[in-house]
Amino acid sequence: GAVVSQHPSRVICKSGTSVKIECRSLDFQATTMFWYRQFPKKSLMLMATSNEGSKATYEQGVEKDKFLINHASLTLSTLTVTSAHPEDSSFYICSAMGTSGYEQYFGPGTRLTVT
Amino acid sequence: RKEVEQDPGPFNVPEGATVAFNCTYSNSASQSFFWYRQDCRKEPKLLMSVYSSGNEDGRFTAQLNRASQYISLLIRDSKLSDSATYLCVVVREGGGADGLTFGKGTHLIIQP
Repeated sequence: GAVVSQHPSRVICKSGTSVKIECRSLDFQATTMFWYRQFPKKSLMLMATSNEGSKATYEQGVEKDKFLINHASLTLSTLTVTSAHPEDSSFYICSAMGTSGYEQYFGPGTRLTVT
Repeated sequence: RKEVEQDPGPFNVPEGATVAFNCTYSNSASQSFFWYRQDCRKEPKLLMSVYSSGNEDGRFTAQLNRASQYISLLIRDSKLSDSATYLCVVVREGGGADGLTFGKGTHLIIQP
């Protein structure tokens, strides 16, 4: 199946700093990528839809100025958590839409810890 | 009512037994349904799609009941390796171009 990578897999940062997470589709082009976050023992929650060459669409309650998404190419989307706070500590997972238009392929996730 | 609801469990099941769990969804216009499996601290992986006619893949059977708005997953002859969290996933009305809506997951523990 299609492969999606994320980098870094784990990051620890200090409160107030910014962290960038990369999501790459390795063997296919993805015009649409998604960003999810998952708190411990909670479900994945969609944060935003990232479309190549256009602005991301954010879900209700997600601050677009805090979670900056850039989808500059068909194989790369980035999520930047700006001015991170401890409550931003979470598991961030990206997915890329496959050519079928329905299947989504997930990256391995990035565990962010803000101290 | 939440968009997608699942019994979080845990379901403790002896190896070799059959286990089933359901997931209810609130949006009657939802068109696509999936079961994902998520291992601890890993990303979710697609287990199977759920078709209107029901579908089977080896020991796994998925069913959709539109009238009652739920989907089910049946696992026969359970293996230790089946221990995981099973996530019910619904594609919103807008179709595949939308993100997926996940249930909280049902935690399954297969005991030797």
